[in-house]
Amino acid sequence: AQSVSQHNHHVILSEAASLELGCNYSYGGTVNLFWYVQYPGQHLQLLLKYFSGDPLVKGIKGFEAEFIKSKFSFNLRKPSVQWSDTAVYFCAVNDPLGWGKLQFGAGTQVVVTP
Amino acid sequence: NAGVTQTPKFQVLKTGQSMTLQCAQDMNHEYMSWYRQDPGMGLRLIHYSVGAGITDQGEVPNGYNVSRSTTEDFPLRLLSAAPSQTSVYFCASRVTSGGATGELFFGEGSRLTVL
Repeated sequence: AQSVSQHNHHVILSEAASLELGCNYSYGGTVNLFWYVQYPGQHLQLLLKYFSGDPLVKGIKGFEAEFIKSKFSFNLRKPSVQWSDTAVYFCAVNDPLGWGKLQFGAGTQVVVTP
Repeated sequence: NAGVTQTPKFQVLKTGQSMTLQCAQDMNHEYMSWYRQDPGMGLRLIHYSVGAGITDQGEVPNGYNVSRSTTEDFPLRLLSAAPSQTSVYFCASRVTSGGATGELFFGEGSRLTVL
């Protein structure tokens, strides 16, 4: 079974700092990759997704992610965070041939201090 | 456009009680699913459905039942609640046309506590 690992469970950083969250998956076939965000008290929202093509994907709110197939990784980045980026970030992977059941990572709590 | 609507938002049950979490979507999505969210474990798939009349088990199906009589609704039933089912439950849906590449749309969650 495929698995998704997020390396950091809790990250604290100051406004304007750069953010990078790691995500690795175990599935060896072709995959679709997602980053979702959950702001405090809200439901999950899609930040960005990768299906094919350019491995550098740009999403909403200045976030981007890079797919490195050889490393089975899909790391999320933002050059300069804001207080409003405080949230839980989830990496997710699905098998495009298997009805797209999403496998989520454990999530990373990001706290941005003013 | 309401999207994915879950009710109730909060519920407290006693061990052994039964209840149903409701989920409805108005986007004509074929695929619907239920996840539970627990600290340090992310979201785990309970059950999913790819269309009316079709359901299947996910990663953690024990203790839960589902049915899909219409495209819009996908209720999750707890037949005999246990403290281990204390969690936040999310319903999510998406289209299935074009393969499994569509974005999942989530409801706002239902926080369940079993005493």
